[in-house]
Amino acid sequence: GEDVEQSLFLSVREGDSSVINCTYTDSSSTYLYWYKQEPGAGLQLLTYIFSNMDMKQDQRLTVLLNKKDKHLSLRIADTQTGDSAIYFCAETLIRGSTLGRLYFGRGTQLTVWP
Amino acid sequence: ETGVTQTPRHLVMGMTNKKSLKCEQHLGHNAMYWYKQSAKKPLELMFVYSLEERVENNSVPSRFSPECPNSSHLFLHLHTLQPEDSALYLCASSQGSTSTGELFFGEGSRLTVL
Repeated sequence: GEDVEQSLFLSVREGDSSVINCTYTDSSSTYLYWYKQEPGAGLQLLTYIFSNMDMKQDQRLTVLLNKKDKHLSLRIADTQTGDSAIYFCAETLIRGSTLGRLYFGRGTQLTVWP
Repeated sequence: ETGVTQTPRHLVMGMTNKKSLKCEQHLGHNAMYWYKQSAKKPLELMFVYSLEERVENNSVPSRFSPECPNSSHLFLHLHTLQPEDSALYLCASSQGSTSTGELFFGEGSRLTVL
């Protein structure tokens, strides 16, 4: 399956932590990604995690992967107003092909209030 | 120029017009993609080109016609479009199976069909 589900909206206060959640259906997923899209711009890769890992930390970002529940989360510590954007979860199912195809969720609109 | 560049950034066209979107990548990648981003929907993969091979989503109407003259350039030719084709069209590139599969996106071309 290629269904990737995310909640559509999240609002937090500046300085708080944000947690954006994502569920996916295909247990064959090899890589899972978080992309960020600011208004009027394309998607920018934030971070990714390989399916044999359960956690990855990169500065203010922490990615948690629960393979049993097919649940992925992105935690942003000390959220800033500049973090306001749409965050997309995506998975890829590279299976011996020269092409990796990503399947995206609908995106979570994060709004950070000062 | 660096990264993935798309032109034009904005396009307004009538249903009888013929226009083209252009994408250029300066990353030395070997695969390029067209995605469609509509409001409240997941990103839809339209076409993939890799090593002169073309893969397409069979649900994409024939009024969208891709062209990939070389590994750095990708076009999307548009003709007799419908108002529901209004969307943000995103070009992306990747290094194919030798990488972790992440896509690098352009800023998008915002298309409005009147």
